[in-house]
Amino acid sequence: GAVVSQHPSWVICKSGTSVKIECRSLDFQATTMFWYRQFPKQSLMLMATSNEGSKATYEQGVEKDKFLINHASLTLSTLTVTSAHPEDSSFYICSARDTIHEQYFGPGTRLTVT
Amino acid sequence: AQSVTQLGSHVSVSEGALVLLRCNYSSSVPPYLFWYVQYPNQGLQLLLKYTTGATLVKGINGFEAEFKKSETSFHLTKPSAHMSDAAEYFCAVRGGAPTGNQFYFGTGTSLTVIP
Repeated sequence: GAVVSQHPSWVICKSGTSVKIECRSLDFQATTMFWYRQFPKQSLMLMATSNEGSKATYEQGVEKDKFLINHASLTLSTLTVTSAHPEDSSFYICSARDTIHEQYFGPGTRLTVT
Repeated sequence: AQSVTQLGSHVSVSEGALVLLRCNYSSSVPPYLFWYVQYPNQGLQLLLKYTTGATLVKGINGFEAEFKKSETSFHLTKPSAHMSDAAEYFCAVRGGAPTGNQFYFGTGTSLTVIP
């Protein structure tokens, strides 16, 4: 089956620094990727939709200048959390959509901001 | 608009007992329905999905779910719980149209299996 990877799987960073999370579709091309955020014991909340070669579409309430999304190729999307703060600590999950509109989820990235 | 309601944020069953996790949805278009399982600090693993056709869907690990349009439900069941089934379960809906890509997740149900 289709595989989506995320790197890193977990990261600890200091407050005020930026951290980049990669989402890759390993064996298929993904024109669209999605970024979700999950707080402990809560459901996934869609943050943004990333389309290859164009600007991401952000959900209401998500700061586009804080959560920078780049979808530079058909197999890679990145989420950069800029000037991270402890409240940004969360589990970030991406999903990728293939050409027949199936979506596959990555394993997630645990971000801890100290 | 689409939404998902999972009744019961925590469910406990004895090992070997029936597992029933409830999911109701609302959708203005014919929905695609999904159940995912999430183990601690891991991503989502697809258990099963309903798109079209047979309303009783069988998934992995012995789970199945039945799409009942009249009840707008998609409850997840397993005849006999195993200890390894202890996890968080999410029901999700998305529109059936090619452009209906956005998933709407329920709030999740934490399943505990008692030995």
